[in-house]
Amino acid sequence: GAVVSQHPSRVICKSGTSVKIECRSLDFQATTMFWYRQFPKKSLMLMATSNEGSKATYEQGVEKDKFLINHASLTLSTLTVTSAHPEDSSFYICSARDPGQGLTEAFFGQGTRLTVV
Amino acid sequence: DQQVKQNSPSLSVQEGRISILNCDYTNSMFDYFLWYKKYPAEGPTFLISISSIKDKNEDGRFTVFLNKSAKHLSLHIVPSQPGDSAVYFCAASDFTVSGNTPLVFGKGTRLSVIA
Repeated sequence: GAVVSQHPSRVICKSGTSVKIECRSLDFQATTMFWYRQFPKKSLMLMATSNEGSKATYEQGVEKDKFLINHASLTLSTLTVTSAHPEDSSFYICSARDPGQGLTEAFFGQGTRLTVV
Repeated sequence: DQQVKQNSPSLSVQEGRISILNCDYTNSMFDYFLWYKKYPAEGPTFLISISSIKDKNEDGRFTVFLNKSAKHLSLHIVPSQPGDSAVYFCAASDFTVSGNTPLVFGKGTRLSVIA
């Protein structure tokens, strides 16, 4: 099946710095990728939809200037957490569906555990 | 307002018995439903799905049932094994030609299978 790779799997950064998370579709082209955030004991909350070659669409309540999304190619989307603060510490997961297969499951990256100290 | 609800945060089942995880949804536009399994610090892995034109889909030990009129689906695992212990997420999506719509997730149910 299709594979989505996410990197890094965990990162610790200092408050005020920026962190970039990469999401790659390995064997299909993803015009659209999705970024989720999971809080402890909570569901996976959609943050934004990343569109190749155009601006991302953010969900209500998600700061677009804080969570910068770039989808420069059909196989790569990046999420940059800018000026990170401890409350940004969370588990971030990307996903994509293979458009060539129509209505199918979404494939998820391995997730990134971000800890801001 | 949660569109996908998993009202049981946890479930304990003895090894060999049936595990039944339930999910309700409110959005009548949803027509594709999925179950994912998730371990801590990992991304979700796909288990099984069902489209709204069916009421049952089976894959090995996993069966998903869909009751559209009740807006309810369930995942049956039989026989349950200790390795099934994880958090199970129910997800739903509406159909587009490209298939490029995000999934909406429930809060998950933590299944513990006791040996």
